Amino acid sequence: GENVEQHPSTLSVQEGDSAVIKCTYSDSASNYFPWYKQELGKGPQLIIDIRSNVGEKKDQRIAVTLNKTAKHFSLHITETQPEDSAVYFCAASKGTGTASKLTFGTGTRLQVTL
Amino acid sequence: ETGVTQTPRHLVMGMTNKKSLKCEQHLGHNAMYWYKQSAKKPLELMFVYSLEERVENNSVPSRFSPECPNSSHLFLHLHTLQPEDSALYLCASSQGARTSGNEQFFGPGTRLTVL
Repeated sequence: GENVEQHPSTLSVQEGDSAVIKCTYSDSASNYFPWYKQELGKGPQLIIDIRSNVGEKKDQRIAVTLNKTAKHFSLHITETQPEDSAVYFCAASKGTGTASKLTFGTGTRLQVTL
Repeated sequence: ETGVTQTPRHLVMGMTNKKSLKCEQHLGHNAMYWYKQSAKKPLELMFVYSLEERVENNSVPSRFSPECPNSSHLFLHLHTLQPEDSALYLCASSQGARTSGNEQFFGPGTRLTVL
């Protein structure tokens, strides 16, 4: 089955700096790669996703890149703010039917300090 | 907030108790999921229902019993649990492949503690 590895497990940056989180996956058939943000006491929330037919996607301060050959994808957050502090999860899926199976990474705890 | 609600938010139960977790989605989705989230481990997919039919059961012990009476509701019935079952149980839903197919929306979870 699919295996997703995520690094680093913790990341501390100063406000205004950039943060990068990296994930690798094992199944070359995976075609969908979402990123979730989980704040304390809440469930994961989708913040951005990318499909295998594109290499990069950007949404304001958040961007995701995908390298299918190397089977890795990354989350980039620019101009970080204290409210970006949370746990971030990457995931991979090859589901295209009526239900999809997401395989998650172990999460990165991002701390944005003032 | 996400259109997926879960009750209760917190649950403490003994190993001999029987309890149920409830999930409801207000998004018109046709697939629903149960995940287990333990500290320092990836989210573990437990069950998947599509159009009220169970399509996935990831070798989950029989002390966890899911039920999906309709496309908006999902239950997880618990009985004779073990302390290692203590975790955050998350419900999610998604639309089928006739639209985008993959985005999953999560509820806030039920924090379960088994004594």
